[in-house]
Amino acid sequence: DTAVSQTPKYLVTQMGNDKSIKCEQNLGHDTMYWYKQDSKKFLKIMFSYNNKELIINETVPNRFSPKSPDKAHLNLHINSLELGDSAVYFCASSPSPERDYGYTFGSGTRLTVV
Amino acid sequence: QKEVEQDPGPLSVPEGAIVSLNCTYSNSAFQYFMWYRQYSRKGPELLMYTYSSGNKEDGRFTAQVDKSSKYISLFIRDSQPSDSATYLCAMTYGSSNTGKLIFGQGTTLQVKP
Repeated sequence: DTAVSQTPKYLVTQMGNDKSIKCEQNLGHDTMYWYKQDSKKFLKIMFSYNNKELIINETVPNRFSPKSPDKAHLNLHINSLELGDSAVYFCASSPSPERDYGYTFGSGTRLTVV
Repeated sequence: QKEVEQDPGPLSVPEGAIVSLNCTYSNSAFQYFMWYRQYSRKGPELLMYTYSSGNKEDGRFTAQVDKSSKYISLFIRDSQPSDSATYLCAMTYGSSNTGKLIFGQGTTLQVKP
């Protein structure tokens, strides 16, 4: 039973389209995150939610809108996709923001914008 | 300058070698130090974490933190082909209420049979 699951695993889309990525965790964690990994494997935080409340928005363009319907789910909607959005997007969770050393990552969504 | 610097490699070693992976950082406020392993097309998985300075050992893996030098290391003894992956160091303030991890760029390791 996958602890942090993301869908879809792969997403190929044209510039200008709108797309969503979904994430679910069954670990009972309070905190969920979105990270972006670029082509050089550099991982950078985008958003953090604790118990459905946004606690980090790391200067991400407002074309990216996260939504957390409950503490087990965190979705990411991207409007007007650009070539530079191509990357691997990882969802993660941790027991709490303070216990941020206990992350569990999903397997990633590979987004390609053409 | 990035907050966390890590040599991206690639690093290629023969099976059985001792591997040393390193990161340097600039922010003395970091309290927790982690090593993640990421296989190709997979998400990072937590290998080890250390609070403040000192050593921690887990099987063939040893993590070292030297806060005075702002330098952390991961040693892998008796390396195996299954250790071939990208290794990412990560750090956090610990006492913050944001949960943000700051990652190094990752070092790609290949262990040849």
